[in-house]
Amino acid sequence: SQTIHQWPATLVQPVGSPLSLECTVEGTSNPNLYWYRQAAGRGLQLLFYSVGIGQISSEVPQNLSASRPQDRQFILSSKKLLLSDSGFYLCAWSVWVRGETQYFGPGTRLLVL
Amino acid sequence: RKEVEQDPGPFNVPEGATVAFNCTYSNSASQSFFWYRQDCRKEPKLLMSVYSSGNEDGRFTAQLNRASQYISLLIRDSKLSDSATYLCVVNSKTSYDKVIFGPGTSLSVIP
Repeated sequence: SQTIHQWPATLVQPVGSPLSLECTVEGTSNPNLYWYRQAAGRGLQLLFYSVGIGQISSEVPQNLSASRPQDRQFILSSKKLLLSDSGFYLCAWSVWVRGETQYFGPGTRLLVL
Repeated sequence: RKEVEQDPGPFNVPEGATVAFNCTYSNSASQSFFWYRQDCRKEPKLLMSVYSSGNEDGRFTAQLNRASQYISLLIRDSKLSDSATYLCVVNSKTSYDKVIFGPGTSLSVIP
């Protein structure tokens, strides 16, 4: 069966510090991968989307970036965090054979102080 | 107009009640539809897909009206454990697969 991992579960970072969040998927090949952010009490905002290694689409201009160095690895990064980067970061995967149903990882709760 | 809209609620209902959530979408070319639930401080989890003919899974019934671009979720005999936020999700295929999440409807089932 497929599983998706994210780490760390929680993170407290100072403004201006770098960020690296990692997501890995097991049990499937060539998945579509997504990064979402959810601010407190708000809906999901799609940040990045990837259909394959090295292929990244950005939905919203921001100071974040994403990379996909391996088929089942998706990384979210920032060189300098802003207060507004605080939120709940969710990684998800999907494959078309399931009608693009997305399955989410447990998320990383980031607080920028 | 937002791509996917939902009544934010909150819906506060007693145990055993029937509650219905509505969702509208703007892209008539949308192809796949889902309902997710999200518990407080947790990730969204797939509740059920929505098929053109309507479908049922235990106490949950989902319906799709393509002409009106409308999706619904009916929960019968509400349980305390149904308390969560329910997200309507629409897949609008463009040059790349694009899945749009609605803002969610909050449900609290009261003893």
